[in-house]
Amino acid sequence: KNQVEQSPQSLIILEGKNCTLQCNYTVSPFSNLRWYKQDTGRGPVSLTIMTFSENTKSNGRYTATLDADTKQSSLHITASQLSDSASYICVVSAGQAGTALIFGKGTTLSVSS
Amino acid sequence: DVKVTQSSRYLVKRTGEKVFLECVQDMDHENMFWYRQDPGLGLRLIYFSYDVKMKEKGDIPEGYSVSREKKERFSLILESASTNQTSMYLCASSFADRNQPQHFGDGTRLSIL
Repeated sequence: KNQVEQSPQSLIILEGKNCTLQCNYTVSPFSNLRWYKQDTGRGPVSLTIMTFSENTKSNGRYTATLDADTKQSSLHITASQLSDSASYICVVSAGQAGTALIFGKGTTLSVSS
Repeated sequence: DVKVTQSSRYLVKRTGEKVFLECVQDMDHENMFWYRQDPGLGLRLIYFSYDVKMKEKGDIPEGYSVSREKKERFSLILESASTNQTSMYLCASSFADRNQPQHFGDGTRLSIL
């Protein structure tokens, strides 16, 4: 069964600190892996998309890694800001068409001052 | 900038009513999607469309139908609303290229009384 598991479920960090969110998946056939950020009351916004051949991708202070062998991904946030407080959702795309998207349940990050 | 607009942010309806949720995108995207998002369950796909007048069932289509008469507009219909359809509904769109991200609207919070 295709599944995406995220950990931790929630996380609290101090402003300025770094953190890493984890995503493990069992999806076949793998097409790509996406990270989204969802602010409270808003729709998700894409941070990165990685295909099978990519193992690192950055978007500002966000860096995603992908290990296709172990089927793991991580999202590293550097020098966190209050505006990073959000839910982070890992999504794996399966199949040729890419419309089969398997969503993780998200990690809720709270950044405090 | 891509814009996905959902017709209402908040909506309150009564059980048994027929409910229409509208979504419009302005980027000429081929694909459009309807999701519902519930606490602890993440995003679940209701229906998607890859072309005008085309539709495919997602994971939880029961009690819903969709309509796509124009490329930019995708409607979700609750045929006879029930209380278990109280949820956040999110519309998304994307290009057909599987490595392109989905763009989400800000959601409609629907309450069925």
